[in-house]
Amino acid sequence: EPEVTQTPSHQVTQMGQEVILRCVPISNHLYFYWYRQILGQKVEFLVSFYNNEISEKSEIFDDQFSVERPDGSNFTLKIRSTKLEDSAMYFCASSPIVAGVSYNEQFFGPGTRLTVL
Amino acid sequence: DAKTTQPNSMESNEEEPVHLPCNHSTISGTDYIHWYRQLPSQGPEYVIHGLTSNVNNRMASLAIAEDRKSSTLILHRATLRDAAVYYCILKNFGNEKLTFGTGTRLTIIP
Repeated sequence: EPEVTQTPSHQVTQMGQEVILRCVPISNHLYFYWYRQILGQKVEFLVSFYNNEISEKSEIFDDQFSVERPDGSNFTLKIRSTKLEDSAMYFCASSPIVAGVSYNEQFFGPGTRLTVL
Repeated sequence: DAKTTQPNSMESNEEEPVHLPCNHSTISGTDYIHWYRQLPSQGPEYVIHGLTSNVNNRMASLAIAEDRKSSTLILHRATLRDAAVYYCILKNFGNEKLTFGTGTRLTIIP
């Protein structure tokens, strides 16, 4: 069964450093997402991406964050200068398109645990 | 986003049916009712979704009240693997994001 994969599973970085979290969505999906979950808290939406551009973003997704689809398979989340409060699980998700819109299920990856020291 | 209300936690015996309730009294006509679950240390997993009619799939059934102000996720025969946090989410047609609440933590008793 196809699945979303994410690398690395755990990333440790120093405050102020740049990190890139990588995701390989399911191959025929066209909508991509990033969510995060701070330990013990809710899963929070960060950004959605369709047709090579951001379709929606949350207040969390400020200028420190960016997303990119550098090739036909990868989808990345970059944090330019990490802060202690960026420590969280980051989940990538993808979704198929039906009749031009995505109201179907989102398929989540296993997550990358980001620890900022 | 329209809000949902779920019990914080529920327990069920293994191999028994489980009914997980969700209230969404401010649901709009274009809101779909989605259920996801999150097993320990994993990403969320889609369970089922519906608009007005009851829905069945291989994982669960979704019963939607006639006025759509509440719904119930039914696991027909709980196993230990069903222990997870279950989220009831309203997703508006054309709105891409999922807004997770705190969900219901389901414990399965062997």
